[in-house]
Amino acid sequence: DAGVTQSPTHLIKTRGQQVTLRCSPKSGHDTVSWYQQALGQGPQFIFQYYEEEERQRGNFPDRFSGHQFPNYSSELNVNALLLGDSALYLCASSLAPETEAFFGQGTRLTVV
Amino acid sequence: GEDVEQSLFLSVREGDSSVINCTYTDSSSTYLYWYKQEPGAGLQLLTYIFSNMDMKQDQRLTVLLNKKDKHLSLRIADTQTGDSAIYFCAESHGSSNTGKLIFGQGTTLQVKP
Repeated sequence: DAGVTQSPTHLIKTRGQQVTLRCSPKSGHDTVSWYQQALGQGPQFIFQYYEEEERQRGNFPDRFSGHQFPNYSSELNVNALLLGDSALYLCASSLAPETEAFFGQGTRLTVV
Repeated sequence: GEDVEQSLFLSVREGDSSVINCTYTDSSSTYLYWYKQEPGAGLQLLTYIFSNMDMKQDQRLTVLLNKKDKHLSLRIADTQTGDSAIYFCAESHGSSNTGKLIFGQGTTLQVKP
């Protein structure tokens, strides 16, 4: 079992650009959540996808959007990047929205 | 409101016990979790406890929950240098455990040989 896999592992973008991060959930999991972890902080919930729909959303602007595909994989898109968007982006998957979450290794995004 | 607080740093000697503390505010939380994060890595789920339990033991890990005081602790017995990492407690948001986790800022555990 490959666990939760994220790509890419590292990414450098310029302010104003757009970025897409990808996540494949653990085998058998149908729910994907995204978190942003700034340096020295705990992860902050961005949103959760279940049955290809955004089920819950945290306190993030509309520049952050996502998608879930029929195979349960997910994408996180961030538009009009700001320097403050630099962070580790973590994807977590679970068997169902109400069960424990398993995290991937994360994508380190640096905005310059 | 949603808030989870942890002490930022703990240093122990190898072989000693470590106790990492956490307080939370959402009394309707049904699940409380402990995650471990090593440098440059994602989060590893260590253990979790249901809010109707007082204690859960899993090998070297013991979780204690005081629901009245909204206090959660993680005890690591016989701490090893490989336990050096950042430890996060997290609460599930709301009574239905919708999957949204609220994390503390993390406790850095330093284990000295």
